[in-house]
Amino acid sequence: DSGVTQTPKHLITATGQRVTLRCSPRSGDLSVYWYQQSLDQGLQFLIQYYNGEERAKGNILERFSAQQFPDLHSELNLSSLELGDSALYFCASSVGQSHEQYFGPGTRLTVT
Amino acid sequence: GEDVEQSLFLSVREGDSSVINCTYTDSSSTYLYWYKQEPGAGLQLLTYIFSNMDMKQDQRLTVLLNKKDKHLSLRIADTQTGDSAIYFCAESTYSGAGSYQLTFGKGTKLSVIP
Repeated sequence: DSGVTQTPKHLITATGQRVTLRCSPRSGDLSVYWYQQSLDQGLQFLIQYYNGEERAKGNILERFSAQQFPDLHSELNLSSLELGDSALYFCASSVGQSHEQYFGPGTRLTVT
Repeated sequence: GEDVEQSLFLSVREGDSSVINCTYTDSSSTYLYWYKQEPGAGLQLLTYIFSNMDMKQDQRLTVLLNKKDKHLSLRIADTQTGDSAIYFCAESTYSGAGSYQLTFGKGTKLSVIP
């Protein structure tokens, strides 16, 4: 158990809908990272937040957004969902901006 | 751009050594990592090596880095059935403002035959 928690574990929704994925980092970690894992693209970095501020952006679509709250938990919002958004979404956290990232168990999103 | 390549499958007998290989393209990589993913679980950080090191040993795990050839390997000694999982190689590059961005390979599925 890495200490990173993610909810929900599974999510099934329809095309065009909007969902919110939640992540709580390890106690004391200030950085949160979001990744998408799909069969064709593999594991791709989406976005990083550090102590409430966006720090780095990867291959994140404009339909996706994220934020980190004062209590350091983070939410990833996915809107206008498409079938291709079906994937595992992982959150990771690190102490400060350390290179060691610890991953949560993931949220499996299925868009039908 | 960055690219990390790994073979997709490896099968070994219990008790043998496993060697999982990885190549990367970004010469400015700062750290290189091995993560393990068991079915239905997240990624577990197994070990990492700083880019100016050649080797790192941690119990049954040995990481070898050939920076000239941009080749990373993970050796698991005395492989057990519990080692069956997908192993991801990743590199990190410093992207400024104190951020390290990870690029992952597609993963190598290790199957251990009892």
